[in-house]
Amino acid sequence: GENVEQHPSTLSVQEGDSAVIKCTYSDSASNYFPWYKQELGKGPQLIIDIRSNVGEKKDQRIAVTLNKTAKHFSLHITETQPEDSAVYFCAASMGDDKIIFGKGTRLHILP
Amino acid sequence: NAGVMQNPRHLVRRRGQEARLRCSPMKGHSHVYWYRQLPEEGLKFMVYLQKENIIDESGMPKERFSAEFPKEGPSILRIQQVVRGDSAAYFCASSPQTPGYEQYFGPGTRLTVT
Repeated sequence: GENVEQHPSTLSVQEGDSAVIKCTYSDSASNYFPWYKQELGKGPQLIIDIRSNVGEKKDQRIAVTLNKTAKHFSLHITETQPEDSAVYFCAASMGDDKIIFGKGTRLHILP
Repeated sequence: NAGVMQNPRHLVRRRGQEARLRCSPMKGHSHVYWYRQLPEEGLKFMVYLQKENIIDESGMPKERFSAEFPKEGPSILRIQQVVRGDSAAYFCASSPQTPGYEQYFGPGTRLTVT
């Protein structure tokens, strides 16, 4: 079955700097790649997603890239702010029911 | 426009008791998914249901766990004879259309087994 690896597990960046989280997936049949942000004590919130027919997608300070050949996808957050501190999960789906999640990256924005 | 609702938010059960977790999907959504999250881990898929049908239960433990999504009312995840290892956060998600599209998560139920 599908397996999603996520790195790093913890990331600390200065406020205003950029943060990058990288993921790989194993099954080339995966075609949908969402990213979720989870704050303490809350459920995961969908922040951006990308489908396999697109290489890059941007929404304000957040961008995702997808390299289907290498089975890599990444999340980029620019001009980080304190409210960006949270755990971020990448995920992959083959267009069937289940979403397979990475283990998460705990992002700390330093003042 | 209310989001996915789950209750209770926190549930404490003694070993051997039953736990019932409820999930009401977003308005207009007819697909419900349950996931389990252990501390410091990602979410693991458990089961996918549509109204009155279990579509995929490949992530459900074979014993003690069951799920339903009746024609009326919320989806229920039921855990019988709970053990300490069942302690986790259980999240429900809903989706408006065919699988593979966005899933929106509820706030979760945190189950503690003592």
